[in-house]
Amino acid sequence: AAGVIQSPRHLIKEKRETATLKCYPIPRHDTVYWYQQGPGQDPQFLISFYEKMQSDKGSIPDRFSAQQFSDYHSELNMSSLELGDSALYFCASSYPPQAFFGQGTRLTVV
Amino acid sequence: AQSVAQPEDQVNVAEGNPLTVKCTYSVSGNPYLFWYVQYPNRGLQFLLKYITGDNLVKGSYGFEAEFNKSQTSFHLKKPSALVSDSALYFCAVRAYNTDKLIFGTGTRLQVFP
Repeated sequence: AAGVIQSPRHLIKEKRETATLKCYPIPRHDTVYWYQQGPGQDPQFLISFYEKMQSDKGSIPDRFSAQQFSDYHSELNMSSLELGDSALYFCASSYPPQAFFGQGTRLTVV
Repeated sequence: AQSVAQPEDQVNVAEGNPLTVKCTYSVSGNPYLFWYVQYPNRGLQFLLKYITGDNLVKGSYGFEAEFNKSQTSFHLKKPSALVSDSALYFCAVRAYNTDKLIFGTGTRLQVFP
């Protein structure tokens, strides 16, 4: 069965650069969530979308933005990258009652 | 490969009754195990984790979980359910030598008045 696809799997960027992470939800899933998991930390909720509209917002920095497109894929855009942005970024898609997580994108800022 | 299984899509329980949400895992070496809760249209919230030590772990909101190595299980429990406990619950595991979490598909807990 198709799962949540995240790309790229690994990304290395320099400080102050911009990064774009992509998430392709499972077909017919109407909700997408983004999470950030720093080294040794629990996943922190960033933002979610329901039917292409932002449905909830967590601890997402102002340097980050996200959107969900007409085909339901979502992109997380991160600008002015900082060393502290190095983390695993998970995307999850949901069609109640379950949610499915992608494998994550590992972002390393150097 | 690491994996987590939550065998029940939904668990229904009456308010005041004990609840159990099941989780089994597969991982090489000693596991780190976690439970998270997700309320409608919200992100994950951490409930509890097992790293080492006592097999019975107590967490937020009166929840607890029991690590059973022989059964590779980490079931979530609460002695007396509340209607406000109704939410989606995720079990997650990571191996000792990685920081990457593997999540289960979630179990919907419905507590009826």
